[in-house]
Amino acid sequence: GENVEQHPSTLSVQEGDSAVIKCTYSDSASNYFPWYKQELGKRPQLIIDIRSNVGEKKDQRIAVTLNKTAKHFSLHITETQPEDSAVYFCAASNIQGAQKLVFGQGTRLTINP
Amino acid sequence: EAQVTQNPRYLITVTGKKLTVTCSQNMNHEYMSWYRQDPGLGLRQIYYSMNVEVTDKGDVPEGYKVSRKEKRNFPLILESPSPNQTSLYFCASSSYRGDTQYFGPGTRLTVL
Repeated sequence: GENVEQHPSTLSVQEGDSAVIKCTYSDSASNYFPWYKQELGKRPQLIIDIRSNVGEKKDQRIAVTLNKTAKHFSLHITETQPEDSAVYFCAASNIQGAQKLVFGQGTRLTINP
Repeated sequence: EAQVTQNPRYLITVTGKKLTVTCSQNMNHEYMSWYRQDPGLGLRQIYYSMNVEVTDKGDVPEGYKVSRKEKRNFPLILESPSPNQTSLYFCASSSYRGDTQYFGPGTRLTVL
C-alpha cells in the first residue's frame, strides 16, 4: 500500500520568510495530493491540492509542486505570517483506483515574529 | 451550510463503560471514515464506510465498532473503552474514497 513520509516534523521560520515542507510517496499510481492545515484545537482543513496532470499549483501565498518521477511533492508558503502557524499534513491517494487517502505524519510550523 | 458534525466534543469516561460518538454529514457523501490523532502519530484511520451497510477496517480498528445504517450517519462505538483509547477523534466524509476529506470538529476522549 501507499506510504507517505513528511519532513521536517517541526519547522520554525521568521515572519516574512518562506517555508517549505516536503513529502515523498511510495505508490507510483497515486494521482491526488492534498495538503491540510490544522490550527491548534481545530479540525484539519484542505488548503490546496494537486493532481498528477500538473506540476505546480498556486493560490496566493501558497503553492504546491509535484515531481512524479521522483515521487515527491512540496508545500511552499511565501511571506509567512503568524496565522500560518499550524500543523500541516500532506496526503496521497489514487482516486481512480479508489485507494484511500494516506496522510503524512505532519509538520508543526511556527512563525516567529 | 455543508458540514460534518460530531457529538460529543469532549468526553471523560471510565474503563469499560460503553460509549458512542456520533457523526453526521449533510453533503450526501458516500465515503465516511473515523480517524484518531495522537501526538507524533499523525492521523490514523480506524474504520471507513464506502456506502450504507458497507464498512471495513482501517489501520487501527481494534477496540472499535462502527455502523452505517443511513448515508448521513456513521457512529463510532467503543464497547469497552480502555485508557489507550484516550485520543482526539475525527470523523470525515468525502464524495468517494481517495478524494478530499472533510473533517468534523473532533471529539476529545479521555478514558480513566
